[in-house]
Amino acid sequence: DTGVSQNPRHKITKRGQNVTFRCDPISEHNRLYWYRQTLGQGPEFLTYFQNEAQLEKSRLLSDRFSAERPKGSFSTLEIQRTEQGDSAMYLCASSLEDSSYGYTFGSGTRLTVV
Amino acid sequence: KQEVTQIPAALSVPEGENLVLNCSFTDSAIYNLQWFRQDPGKGLTSLLLIQSSQREQTSGRLNASLDKSSGRSTLYIAASQPGDSATYLCAVYTDKLIFGTGTRLQVFP
Repeated sequence: DTGVSQNPRHKITKRGQNVTFRCDPISEHNRLYWYRQTLGQGPEFLTYFQNEAQLEKSRLLSDRFSAERPKGSFSTLEIQRTEQGDSAMYLCASSLEDSSYGYTFGSGTRLTVV
Repeated sequence: KQEVTQIPAALSVPEGENLVLNCSFTDSAIYNLQWFRQDPGKGLTSLLLIQSSQREQTSGRLNASLDKSSGRSTLYIAASQPGDSATYLCAVYTDKLIFGTGTRLQVFP
């Protein structure tokens, strides 16, 4: 297992286009998290899944954002009608249900909306 | 609402110095606290994880302490090196990880 994998690493898109990111967690981890990080700030929680169930969504996650985790394996985060304010690093993490083992993060997807 | 604060926001030191990075949190009802390192434009690398029942954890030149009752953690870096230059983030776990804004460290030769 090579850890948490995110694709693509970088995405440049025009305002108004839709984008989709993928996250492959560590295979034994049943929890998967999405965070967003803007320049100079710490990561902010967006949403998380336990297996295939989406258990919590932040108020930061507008209606243009949707996340899925079919079959409790990989996850996708889609942003519709992108805006310049969506430009950020999108980070995915996974963990066991027992939080005492901590989170493992991927390398992130950097989105630039022009 | 849990809030995490890190001081200082930035730090620039000569190689060889011992450093202390501070993290404070407003709600002491945490399960654990994790320190991460982030290089520019990269993801997060976990450095140390301290359970709520523990007082400290050590890994190489790094030592992290936790005082849950006062809502504080410190990350001590011994004999700093230029390769330690990065942003250091602390995060507390309640039902999810809540992050501070980080300390940007530069170690110059």
